[in-house]
Parts: sequence; structure tokens; C-alpha cells
Amino acid sequence: GIQVEQSPPDLILQEGANSTLRCNFSDSVNNLQWFHQNPWGQLINLFYIPSGTKQNGRLSATTVATERYSLLYISSSQTTDSGVYFCAGRVKTSYDKVIFGPGTSLSVIP
Amino acid sequence: NAGVTQTPKFQVLKTGQSMTLQCAQDMNHNSMYWYRQDPGMGLRLIYYSASEGTTDKGEVPNGYNVSRLNKREFSLRLESAAPSQTSVYFCASRRTGSRNEQYFGPGTRLTVT
Repeated sequence: GIQVEQSPPDLILQEGANSTLRCNFSDSVNNLQWFHQNPWGQLINLFYIPSGTKQNGRLSATTVATERYSLLYISSSQTTDSGVYFCAGRVKTSYDKVIFGPGTSLSVIP
Repeated sequence: NAGVTQTPKFQVLKTGQSMTLQCAQDMNHNSMYWYRQDPGMGLRLIYYSASEGTTDKGEVPNGYNVSRLNKREFSLRLESAAPSQTSVYFCASRRTGSRNEQYFGPGTRLTVT
């Protein structure tokens, strides 16, 4: 079926720690994106990453499309990193349908 | 550029009332989307539109209708609101081509009593 799964569901980090969030997606999904939903509910684009590796400051992402997973790395976490991280993908059989995983809720404590 | 805008930001309805949520984008994107987000849950796709004049059902379309008025605007209508439709509604648009990221509006918080 069409699936986007994320792990872990919840994560608590001490400020300064590193973390890795994982997104597994079924064969019927591609064109992965990562979003951050801040505590005020705003959804912010982090990465559009159908394959390969990208970096933006303390965040980086890697997608291995052939093995159907993507990883989001957060280094030297800050309290402002708190929120929910979602991955989303496009359903291949439906040109523009984009579905989301259930999210990873991250809390960074000082 | 304003990006994706949504109105209203907040709304309270009584069961059975109707209303339309408005969404507009100024990025010349072809595709537009409506999602709902319930507490502690991810985003579920209600309807989407790949281009002006076309709409398709998503994962949870029951109880909703949509209109793609033109390339810029995509509205979501609740004909007879139910408490189960209490949620936060997000509109998004997506460019097509080599970098087809989605961009989201700020959301509409809807409560149905």
C-alpha cells in the first residue's frame, strides 16, 4: 500500500545533543520532503530531497530512494528545534497527491 | 510575495452551519491542497487540485467540497458542519518541475459545537 512511516514518534533531547529522525516510505511514494511544525503550528520547509544528501546549517538530510528511507540529522540541538518533524512524499500513481507521515515530536530541553 | 494565505484564521460554527475556507497563493503554482490536522496527529489530505479546473479526492474527502476558482485560489466548503470536523485546516501549493516542494499557509482553526 501507500505508506509513509516515521520513527521515533517522540524524542526528548538535552540542548546540544545530536539526533537522527527516520522516514520509511513505500515503493509507491517518491519526492521526499521534510517539514518542521513549530510550537505555533506553522509548517516550514526544511528539505526537498528525492535522493542524495543536503545540508542547511545544523540540519542535514539523506534520502536513499532505492532502499526507501530518508534520514534527518539535527546536530547541536537548540530549544528552537522543538516541534514536530514531518516527512511527506508524492504518490507516484497520482501525479500530484502528497501524503504525510505521522511525525516525530521533538522536545529540546535546556 | 505573500506566499500562501488563508482566511479566516479562526472560526466557530454550530452543527449544521456551512462555511467556506479561502486559500490563495501568489507563487504561480499549478497544484494546491487542503489538509486537516487533528490534535497529536499528522496531516491528512482532504482534496487536491493538480491544475486550474481539476480536483481530486484525498484520504478524507467526506463532508467537504472544493472549488479551484482560478490558478491562484482554492476554496474548501463545509456544507453542514459536524463536531468531527473540528480541526486545523492547512492549505498548500506546490510548484511543478524539477523542484516541486510544497508551501503551506498559516492554517485555519475551526471549532464545530
